[in-house]
Amino acid sequence: DAGVTQSPTHLIKTRGQQVTLRCSPKSGHDTVSWYQQALGQGPQFIFQYYEEEERQRGNFPDRFSGHQFPNYSSELNVNALLLGDSALYLCASSFLQGTSYNEQFFGPGTRLTVL
Amino acid sequence: DQQVKQNSPSLSVQEGRISILNCDYTNSMFDYFLWYKKYPAEGPTFLISISSIKDKNEDGRFTVFLNKSAKHLSLHIVPSQPGDSAVYFCAASVWTGTASKLTFGTGTRLQVTL
Repeated sequence: DAGVTQSPTHLIKTRGQQVTLRCSPKSGHDTVSWYQQALGQGPQFIFQYYEEEERQRGNFPDRFSGHQFPNYSSELNVNALLLGDSALYLCASSFLQGTSYNEQFFGPGTRLTVL
Repeated sequence: DQQVKQNSPSLSVQEGRISILNCDYTNSMFDYFLWYKKYPAEGPTFLISISSIKDKNEDGRFTVFLNKSAKHLSLHIVPSQPGDSAVYFCAASVWTGTASKLTFGTGTRLQVTL
């Protein structure tokens, strides 16, 4: 079992550009959540995808968008990059059961640097 | 609005002693609380959790205590080992009606010295 995988590992972009980050969930998982971790901070929830739909969104602007594919993998897109978007982007997968907490497994993250 | 707070950015403990990491929260709707451990260049790894209806959960060397009236939880590691040196994040979960959403604290860096 490969666990949660993310690509690329590192990425350098300039202000105003667009970026796409990718995530493959752990085998058997159907839900993908994305988090942004700025330096010295804890991960902040961006959004969660289930059944190819955005189910919940955190306090992030519309420049942040996502997609989930039929095989449950997911992409995070960020448009019009700002210097403040520099962070570690984490993907977490889980299996949706009931209406309570479902354990989330995290990938290693993608380090995005915006110059 | 920081709903989950870890007020100690760092903690140093001698090997074999107890490590106590603290976390405070403000949202009474949180129904699960979790601790994650993070090494550099890796994603957070789940350590232990506790439901809001319990006050203690134990797993080997790790015990989490929840005090709902004080909106406070703590992680005890006994005995501490050098391999425990990492950043520990407290997180809280709430079911929003459509999804389970995690809110993290800012982390406490634990260093276990020989």
